Amino acid sequence: DQQVKQNSPSLSVQEGRISILNCDYTNSMFDYFLWYKKYPAEGPTFLISISSIKDKNEDGRFTVFLNKSAKHLSLHIVPSQPGDSAVYFCAASPSDAGNNRKLIWGLGTSLAVNP
Amino acid sequence: NAGVTQTPKFQVLKTGQSMTLQCAQDMNHEYMSWYRQDPGMGLRLIHYSVGAGITDQGEVPNGYNVSRSTTEDFPLRLLSAAPSQTSVYFCASRIFPDSFEQYFGPGTRLTVT
Repeated sequence: DQQVKQNSPSLSVQEGRISILNCDYTNSMFDYFLWYKKYPAEGPTFLISISSIKDKNEDGRFTVFLNKSAKHLSLHIVPSQPGDSAVYFCAASPSDAGNNRKLIWGLGTSLAVNP
Repeated sequence: NAGVTQTPKFQVLKTGQSMTLQCAQDMNHEYMSWYRQDPGMGLRLIHYSVGAGITDQGEVPNGYNVSRSTTEDFPLRLLSAAPSQTSVYFCASRIFPDSFEQYFGPGTRLTVT
């Protein structure tokens, strides 16, 4: 049972436009969310995170929005660049996990930014 | 500062063989973990460690052993390789317990025939 769901396996956008990647979760105990980016033949790299006490976090071209009532978060990339083409993973951490704080991962969305 | 390093990058094993995947980090992170990534399954946690001498099981520990004798190293041992262990394996580390941001190695692609 997927507790973190990325329902779009792939997304294609034009360079310069906005990319919106979505993530839904089912566990109300999740209180910290992260986005990772992964290029082929490399390990995932951390992109941006958000705590459940916030509804928005920005870092340059990347913004994550959290809607706790809908159990939904989204990653906005503006403007999209060809170098953003990668697989994006959403991950969540439950507050009841104590200090061991494992991450629960979505299956990823493959983003293609076309020149 | 090399970050998280993994060796080998690629490995082919025959069913029943054993091997060790190496992982090292030079960031003095207490927390280290091993994941496997399979198509349609996302990243699944195999084992993790919150410090030297302390290890615990993740979601899919069967068929794998770990030990943590130093802060830097966290090897993953496959005891008797099976085709179901064909996967890409990632090692990761993070500051414990204050950060959720994990740093990943480049991965080891393992094929078991």
